[in-house]
Amino acid sequence: GQNIDQPTEMTATEGAIVQINCTYQTSGFNGLFWYQQHAGEAPTFLSYNVLDGLEEKGRFSSFLSRSKGYSYLLLKELQMKDSASYLCAAMDSNYQLIWGAGTKLIIKP
Amino acid sequence: IAGITQAPTSQILAAGRRMTLRCTQDMRHNAMYWYRQDLGLGLRLIHYSNTAGTTGKGEVPDGYSVSRANTDDFPLTLASAVPSQTSVYFCASSDSNTGASTEAFFGQGTRLTVV
Repeated sequence: GQNIDQPTEMTATEGAIVQINCTYQTSGFNGLFWYQQHAGEAPTFLSYNVLDGLEEKGRFSSFLSRSKGYSYLLLKELQMKDSASYLCAAMDSNYQLIWGAGTKLIIKP
Repeated sequence: IAGITQAPTSQILAAGRRMTLRCTQDMRHNAMYWYRQDLGLGLRLIHYSNTAGTTGKGEVPDGYSVSRANTDDFPLTLASAVPSQTSVYFCASSDSNTGASTEAFFGQGTRLTVV
């Protein structure tokens, strides 16, 4: 079957760095997405990886290893506004997104 | 402001009633999706449409129907609501469903409670 695994909750300190891991199993693979979702709001796009390696975008970076079925989202210089859920989603061979349950990130001062 | 709009934002519905959730986008995206989001679970695809005039079933289609008469609108209908359909419903659209994978844009969500 198709499956996405990511931690349910993580806690980090303002100004620090946090890495949110995601492992996936899909029928075929057409890329890995990360979305941010603040409580009570819609998900918003953060990053997309289809090739192995690291993609950097400001304070956020995303890494992909297709051979390991693994991705991570790296958040640097954490700010209180980064408190949110982070959703990992893999696109299968039918171009449908398979979503993880999300990782709730709690930032402490 | 360009984007994707859902209505209503929230609704309390008696079991057995019929309800249509509306979704409109003005980005001329060809693909549209309906998801439900429940606590502890990932977004689950209910129905999708790759282009106007076509629809397909997602992971959890039972009890729901959709139509795609034009590019902009993608309503979701609950024919006879049941309490297990209590959820937050998100409509989304994207520019391409094949070839280059692009991001999906989400509406603000509809919080539906079936009592």
